[in-house]
Amino acid sequence: GAGVSQSPSNKVTEKGKDVELRCDPISGHTALYWYRQSLGQGLEFLIYFQGNSAPDKSGLPSDRFSAERTGGSVSTLTIQRTQQEDSAVYLCASSFGGGRSYNEQFFGPGTRLTVL
Amino acid sequence: AQKVTQAQTEISVVEKEDVTLDCVYETRDTTYYLFWYKQPPSGELVFLIRRNSFDEQNEISGRYSWNFQKSTSSFNFTITASQVVDSAVYFCALMAQGGSEKLVFGKGTKLTVNP
Repeated sequence: GAGVSQSPSNKVTEKGKDVELRCDPISGHTALYWYRQSLGQGLEFLIYFQGNSAPDKSGLPSDRFSAERTGGSVSTLTIQRTQQEDSAVYLCASSFGGGRSYNEQFFGPGTRLTVL
Repeated sequence: AQKVTQAQTEISVVEKEDVTLDCVYETRDTTYYLFWYKQPPSGELVFLIRRNSFDEQNEISGRYSWNFQKSTSSFNFTITASQVVDSAVYFCALMAQGGSEKLVFGKGTKLTVNP
């Protein structure tokens, strides 16, 4: 079956612009996660969605970052007024979740964001 | 707070050597899960193994083996008879039962296996 897909694979933007990153999880997976990978900070958790529950936004670095998940499937991560420090690879993952936290998370290929 | 430490930033070995990647974790939760992921040069994270805190049995899968010791809060990963294809960045990660189902990652160890 298809894995986690993300688009675009690369995004170059100018400082101050807004960007939207998309994630399509594995069909049947109820949990969806966003992480960020940067040279200085390693792999950082951003946000977690589980079914219809309120998302865990504890990892979002500032109020310029937001995410939504429509229909329990596709998710969009939005970064407003991008800054150079937002440059990173944004990774999406999905799993069966729902309390079965022992299930592994399957990762997508990531979106490489470069803010000029 | 949860924390994962991978003290080895980079390791370089010659093919066929055995290599151990260290992982030390911190958590106050009694129930937690430990993971190893591989990130090859292509960039996509690949799941290798998961372990729960109640299962301290070591595991072997082909050339890979994992040593989980709660007494030292360690979950080390050994590759036997390394191959060039093992070259990648390896991440150890922790998920606690009590909180959000997020993974807390170590900084990763970059393994280079030279022919």
